[in-house]
Amino acid sequence: DIQMTQSPSSLSASVGDRVTITCRASQDIRKDLGWYQQIAGKAPKRLIYAASTLQSGVPSRFSGSGSGTEFTLTITSLQPEDFATYYCLQHNTYPRTFGQGTKLEMK
Amino acid sequence: QLQLQESGPGLVKPSETLSLTCTVSGASIDTSAYYWAWIRQPPGKGLEWIATLYHSGSTYYTPSLESRITTSIDTSRNQFSLTLTSVTAADTATYYCVRSMMITYAGEFDNWGQGTLVTVSS
Repeated sequence: DIQMTQSPSSLSASVGDRVTITCRASQDIRKDLGWYQQIAGKAPKRLIYAASTLQSGVPSRFSGSGSGTEFTLTITSLQPEDFATYYCLQHNTYPRTFGQGTKLEMK
Repeated sequence: QLQLQESGPGLVKPSETLSLTCTVSGASIDTSAYYWAWIRQPPGKGLEWIATLYHSGSTYYTPSLESRITTSIDTSRNQFSLTLTSVTAADTATYYCVRSMMITYAGEFDNWGQGTLVTVSS
């Protein structure tokens, strides 16, 4: 199985900050990676697919980069609605695997 | 607009069988343009992919649950389903049904149901 190691597991930040979350795959997954946002009590929502393509309707302050084994999700100018938990997902190989999540909290 | 809605019992006894259905509206399930999945999330924990079902009939299951899972697609009702046998407390989770598009470089899991909490308890 491909292991997805996400860091940090939690992060405190303020409105207006820029934050970066990293996901590392245990083997090459090309660009077969997505990023998901989950607001407490809600279903996850896809933000980024193919490592760097912004999902329609998602604000441009979200961006993704990387390929192979190293990936990042960056949020520039944090907004109050961005405080949530973020997950990466690899869909290169079965079984699909998620990162353990990054909880973004307000400082 | 595509919508997915999970349904099933919210409480299942240990050793019994958990059965969930996902009703798809706004799109036909009888198409090779999409494929379908189940993902679960234990309370306070992360996301776990469980199964993926393709229109072709191919299925993929997470290895840790493979011996207990059955999935199916009912095109007449525009539904797909998940059955998990011999449940334990470890199967307590919110279960999500999810859609992916069969398009190159489209990624996966672009559309999610709201989720349904299943508790395993006597």
